[in-house]
Amino acid sequence: KQEVTQIPAALSVPEGENLVLNCSFTDSAIYNLQWFRQDPGKGLTSLLLIQSSQREQTSGRLNASLDKSSGRSTLYIAASQPGDSATYLCAVRQEDSSYKLIFGSGTRLLVRP
Amino acid sequence: DARVTQTPRHKVTEMGQEVTMRCQPILGHNTVFWYRQTMMQGLELLAYFRNRAPLDDSGMPKDRFSAEMPDATLATLKIQPSEPRDSAVYFCASGLGTSGRVNEQFFGPGTRLTVL
Repeated sequence: KQEVTQIPAALSVPEGENLVLNCSFTDSAIYNLQWFRQDPGKGLTSLLLIQSSQREQTSGRLNASLDKSSGRSTLYIAASQPGDSATYLCAVRQEDSSYKLIFGSGTRLLVRP
Repeated sequence: DARVTQTPRHKVTEMGQEVTMRCQPILGHNTVFWYRQTMMQGLELLAYFRNRAPLDDSGMPKDRFSAEMPDATLATLKIQPSEPRDSAVYFCASGLGTSGRVNEQFFGPGTRLTVL
């Protein structure tokens, strides 16, 4: 059974720092991995999607990497800003599933001005 | 501006009452998902529709929950009768499935349900 873990559960950094959020999964037979952002009281916003054949994806100050064989993904945020404060969730879809996402419990990020 | 919309955004009801949550998927998307988010369980998939047909509702308590898609622009999730343990945020998501795969899922803002 696939399990997705995110470490740390919470992170507080000063503005301007570069930071890394971690996501690990127990079953490497994934189809893709998706990083989401969730603001308090809001829905999920898709940030980056990495197919299993890819190593990384970039969007602006965000860079997500995937090491499928070791069951790990990282989300790198460069030059963090207070507006980056949110909960970041990673989710994986198995190769044998056409749709089901399995979510981690999230990392709650606070960027202090 | 293509977004998934959900109504109501907040719902407070008493135990035993019927609750209906609505979702309008992004125009052109052929797959719709219902998720529930709680502090204890995180995000859980309740049901999944492809081209308006339910393909998987194994995550739903069948005795009280029901999900339907009356048409391509409306998905509903109904709880009858509601119980305090149903209190959660319910998210709808939609996506475009091709060749049997759904790539990205786009989430609505959620309905925060409180059952007293």
